[in-house]
Amino acid sequence: EVQLVESGGGLVQPGRSLRLSCAASGFTFDDYAMNWVRQVPGKGLEWVSGISWNTGSIGYADSVKGRFTISRDNAKNSLYLQMNSLRAEDTALYYCAKGSVYGGLMDVWGQGTTVTVSS
Amino acid sequence: EIVMTQSPATLSVSPGERASLSCRASQSVTTNLAWYQQKPGQAPRLLIYGASARATGIPARFSGSGSGTEFTLTISSLQSEDFAVYYCQHYNNWPPGGTFGQGTKLEIK
Repeated sequence: EVQLVESGGGLVQPGRSLRLSCAASGFTFDDYAMNWVRQVPGKGLEWVSGISWNTGSIGYADSVKGRFTISRDNAKNSLYLQMNSLRAEDTALYYCAKGSVYGGLMDVWGQGTTVTVSS
Repeated sequence: EIVMTQSPATLSVSPGERASLSCRASQSVTTNLAWYQQKPGQAPRLLIYGASARATGIPARFSGSGSGTEFTLTISSLQSEDFAVYYCQHYNNWPPGGTFGQGTKLEIK
């Protein structure tokens, strides 16, 4: 079964850092691009960042550029999101999503991990 | 940056009826357009990609059309499980990513 399990969310103060992880199983991880998408409760989906299978191409939403860093470890079948200088507006449910025939086309999603930025 | 705009924000339809949801791109996205369904408390699910191709396991009552800047998701005969929020997305490959529309809530009339 194809599965993505996010972890690492929690309550953090503004200006601090947090690192999210996504453990993948059930597919050949290093064949596919991966993405992070977030959702404020009761609001819509916002693509945050994406990374190609070989880390050769990486993209970020303008809202997180310069603060967040996406990475992956293909040997560990894992995706990461390092979030620095966190702001209240980064509070959201963060999903890990697998790319498909196009990297940004997301055919498998995790259940998400919640990040709350508050003092 | 391409902006995706969905309409209406909320659509009220009776079970068994047909629903049509619209998505407009601020510039041409050719057919790099996907539709996702999200139910409360669940992650999004891919329904349609390439503007008109159904993803694996998606019932035939779901269909997508359009190209360029105008797209439509049609659900031919609404079932109770179809009432949810639907998002369109323009997707890229290099770098991977994409822009979502703000969503259309499909509710029972």
